[in-house]
Formats: sequence, structure tokens, C-alpha cells
Amino acid sequence: QQQVKQSPQSLIVQKGGISIINCAYENTAFDYFPWYQQFPGKGPALLIAIRPDVSEKKEGRFTISFNKSAKQFSLHIMDSQPGDSATYFCAASMGTSGSRLTFGEGTQLTVNP
Amino acid sequence: SAVISQKPSRDICQRGTSLTIQCQVDSQVTMMFWYRQQPGQSLTLIATANQGSEATYESGFVIDKFPISRPNLTFSTLTVSNMSPEDSSIYLCSVYTGLAFFGQGTRLTVV
Repeated sequence: QQQVKQSPQSLIVQKGGISIINCAYENTAFDYFPWYQQFPGKGPALLIAIRPDVSEKKEGRFTISFNKSAKQFSLHIMDSQPGDSATYFCAASMGTSGSRLTFGEGTQLTVNP
Repeated sequence: SAVISQKPSRDICQRGTSLTIQCQVDSQVTMMFWYRQQPGQSLTLIATANQGSEATYESGFVIDKFPISRPNLTFSTLTVSNMSPEDSSIYLCSVYTGLAFFGQGTRLTVV
């Protein structure tokens, strides 16, 4: 019930294309859904986060789409660039314990020039 | 946002020894969190550290192996005790300020 399932495990996109990563969760008590970007040797960097009261949130080239009824959320990276090549993690938590996160398995994104 | 500093950034340790990792935050936070990221894997929560109380450990993690201190609202330490090669991982400190932020991590190799 605490799991967050992430797909795909790896993704290859051409420069300028759209990268889409999906996550699904079971626990309906989750109310905070962040996405992280991690480069090798670095800690996860917060990209964007959403709460269930909105269905979409956009920050620059990054958009989260949230479907509460389906218990799914996704990250869209528009105009993907080679510098976006990294591992992306979705996560979820509940209530005021916002850093008590359950993470997805991660997606290795490669953007080809 | 929050700026989180971890020390050391990396270390190579002998099996059977212990390593203490420090986490310093640039603002006062109620809860600090410690995560482990095994090679090529996702992040797993080890424990939640509240100031003035015992840390709360997740299933599979015990205080004897991962003792945690939280002496004030900006600082915490995680000790990895009696290390074995299986403890080789990245250990990450995190705080929540309305959003969840992570430090750069401590890359531990046990030989």
C-alpha cells in the first residue's frame, strides 16, 4: 500500500522531443507528490511538486499531470535537452511528514543530440 | 528552499568500523530525515529525526546499527556502525519546509 510504481525504467528521447515518465500509487492518504532529478554523484534535486487539489502544474519545461481518481501522476519534459539526461524519481508522502517520502524506482533518461 | 550541507561527501572505510555523517541546515526545521540509496537503486527512508526525542526508524533499520542524534533544530548526525560491504551506499539527509529538499549525500564505500 505504501508503494509508488514508476515507469519506464529507462527512456531515450531525441533532442527537442517530449519525455514522459509515469507513476502510480496505492495509498489514497498521499497528498504530496514531488519529482526529483539526480545526476551521478549528486543528491536528488527537487524539480517540481504537486498536491491533489490541482490536476496540473507547470514550471518552465516541466509539467506534472495528476489524476486523483486513477491514482496516477506523470512528469512531462517539453523540448528535452541533452542536459536533461539524468535519473528522475517520483515520490509521495502524506500529511505534515512531507519528507517521509516513498520513492518510485527511478527512470534513467537519455536525451540524444 | 533550504541549503543542506553534509560531511563527509565521501569516505572509504574498513569493515567493522563506524562512520558518523553530519547534516547541517541553514534554517531551523522540525523534522530531519535520513535516507539510503544503494548503488543503482532508489531512495529508502532510514529514520526521522526530531529534536529532543528519539529518532523513529523504518522497518528494517535499527538504532544499534544507525544511531542518530539531533541536538538542535539545524543539525543531525547519522552513524553507520560496525560496517560491512553491504553498507556501501549513498546516505542522504533531507528536510521538509513545505517542500522536501536533500543534501548532496555521503558516498560510503566499505572495504
